[in-house]
Amino acid sequence: NAGVTQTPKFRILKIGQSMTLQCAQDMNHNYMYWYRQDPGMGLKLIYYSVGAGITDKGEVPNGYNVSRSTTEDFPLRLELAAPSQTSVYFCASSGQGPLSYNSPLHFGNGTRLTVT
Amino acid sequence: DAKTTQPNSMESNEEEPVHLPCNHSTISGTDYIHWYRQLPSQGPEYVIHGLTSNVNNRMASLAIAEDRKSSTLILHRATLRDAAVYYCILRALQGAQKLVFGQGTRLTINP
Repeated sequence: NAGVTQTPKFRILKIGQSMTLQCAQDMNHNYMYWYRQDPGMGLKLIYYSVGAGITDKGEVPNGYNVSRSTTEDFPLRLELAAPSQTSVYFCASSGQGPLSYNSPLHFGNGTRLTVT
Repeated sequence: DAKTTQPNSMESNEEEPVHLPCNHSTISGTDYIHWYRQLPSQGPEYVIHGLTSNVNNRMASLAIAEDRKSSTLILHRATLRDAAVYYCILRALQGAQKLVFGQGTRLTINP
């Protein structure tokens, strides 16, 4: 049972480059989330999705885009990377069925991104 | 969105109980209280959740105040492996599911 899989684990980008952080879950979860965590800080919600085709902004969406074309995948796109986007990015999923508000979040192992 | 407030840090000794508080005075009647923890260099992991009644599982206990405006995560016998940042968040019954984490409490366990 793979759970939540994030790729890549590490990446170094130059300023202005673009990339997509991949997130896939095999638990048929409805809800998926992207968080970023700066050094020594808590998690900040970037975007979230309550199902395929539905996404919404979190606390810090600027500079990012998401899509949710399937239940399994929730990629995060960085356009024109900036040093301020240096962070660890965590994807999470939860919820299967009508009582999904009651189910815990499952987190991936994170992607450590450095923009120089 | 209902917010939670936790102390920035706490310290305890190995094999002693630890009580981690969380205030959520604007909680709505249908919000669930969830606790997660994040070990160093890892993603957060689920610990426990509850609605009104106290809850126990193999990791911890959750004590919820009668008015639900606060809760306490209880680690019955702390070990060095329990050193982590502990987050208390509120999860709505339905709706946007915008799950926002606060700063959490950094728990240090002394040997």
